Amino acid sequence: QVQLQESGPGLVKPSETLSLTCAVSGYSISSGYYWGWIRQPPGKGLEWIGSIYHSGSTYYNPSLKSRVTISVDTSKNQFSLKLSSVTAADTAVYYCARHLYSSGWYFIYWGQGTLVTVSS
Amino acid sequence: EIVLTQSPATLSLSPGERATLSCRASQSVSSYLAWYQQKPGQAPRLLIYDASNRATGIPARFSGSGSGTDFTLTISSLEPEDFAVYYCQQRSNWPRMYTFGQGTKLEIK
Repeated sequence: QVQLQESGPGLVKPSETLSLTCAVSGYSISSGYYWGWIRQPPGKGLEWIGSIYHSGSTYYNPSLKSRVTISVDTSKNQFSLKLSSVTAADTAVYYCARHLYSSGWYFIYWGQGTLVTVSS
Repeated sequence: EIVLTQSPATLSLSPGERATLSCRASQSVSSYLAWYQQKPGQAPRLLIYDASNRATGIPARFSGSGSGTDFTLTISSLEPEDFAVYYCQQRSNWPRMYTFGQGTKLEIK
């Protein structure tokens, strides 16, 4: 059973960088598939942030691309999200997930999500 | 960017009734559309992918249909645990990205 678990600070100051890690168990990232980050502001809908392949190939939401970096550490079986220059609008529950197909597309396995609040 | 519009925003029904949720794309997405269910405090759960394929473990009362720009999620007979928010999602190739609809809240009448 594939399991994902997000971790990182729950509070980030405006203009700073949000950093989260997703630890994967039950599956080796180096075996394949794309892995992604999705966020959900309180009481609102879902927004895809970006996805990464085990090789390190990435693609990002154009609306966030200038501020987002996603990286993978196959030795630790985890991948990470960095979002720079955060504002209150970046306050959200952040989910990590694995795509259904090795080429991407839909999200089949999800972490429980972690709330990140941007506030001074 | 392809925009997904879901309707209605809120659907009020009783257990045992049939639910029909709609998702319309701003341009054709062929059959590359998924549906998710999200309950309060939980992560979304994949229900349907490629418009009509049920994900593993999803009850047969959930079905998806449609292609091109118009898609439907049908719940044939509502169970108490089906009351939740439902999202549709698609992938576009240029730019390569994923978008979600704004959601339909299915509430108990």
